[in-house]
Amino acid sequence: NAGVTQTPKFQVLKTGQSMTLQCAQDMNHNSMYWYRQDPGMGLRLIYYSASEGTTDKGEVPNGYNVSRLNKREFSLRLESAAPSQTSVYFCASSVQQGPITGELFFGEGSRLTVL
Amino acid sequence: GDSVTQMEGPVTLSEEAFLTINCTYTATGYPSLFWYVQYPGEGLQLLLKATKADDKGSNKGFEATYRKETTSFHLEKGSVQVSDSAVYFCALSSNRDDKIIFGKGTRLHILP
Repeated sequence: NAGVTQTPKFQVLKTGQSMTLQCAQDMNHNSMYWYRQDPGMGLRLIYYSASEGTTDKGEVPNGYNVSRLNKREFSLRLESAAPSQTSVYFCASSVQQGPITGELFFGEGSRLTVL
Repeated sequence: GDSVTQMEGPVTLSEEAFLTINCTYTATGYPSLFWYVQYPGEGLQLLLKATKADDKGSNKGFEATYRKETTSFHLEKGSVQVSDSAVYFCALSSNRDDKIIFGKGTRLHILP
């Protein structure tokens, strides 16, 4: 019962370094999402993928890129990390494609610190 | 654009107290509404949902009613427990696209 798996769980970067957060789901879900969670800001959508082969920007896409590698995997890349990207990142998936009336399933989060 | 506003926390209550966490929304059309809960060190998980006006979602003793006339979806529980200590997020999904929009979250502390 893996659900949504994110790696790594913790990462410390220096300003300017790059890294990729990996996310995989084993529930055959169509849609996948990347959120960031910051104190006092709640969850903000970075990018989402409604289906394999498509990606769209969310509220805060600047400084990030994504790849929907296949139906299972959705990665988030920071090309040149900045201290403002220090956050907890959550990957999520949902079975539906299109307006959501169902549930989002979340991973356990990846805590990223940029020095 | 669509948005969710929920009461700021932290909210601190004694065990067995009555809980209300207010949530209002702005959206075009008829969104679906959700409450998610985040326990310490974990990701969010769905607590309850309602997909149309006057629907009541319920789970684990929590309830929320979709009120279109007041654009609200307040979370209530009659008698809270220490194990209910968590962060609660109100959210909506537009009927136009694939996105869920979250409120800022309300941290709840329950004292024994």
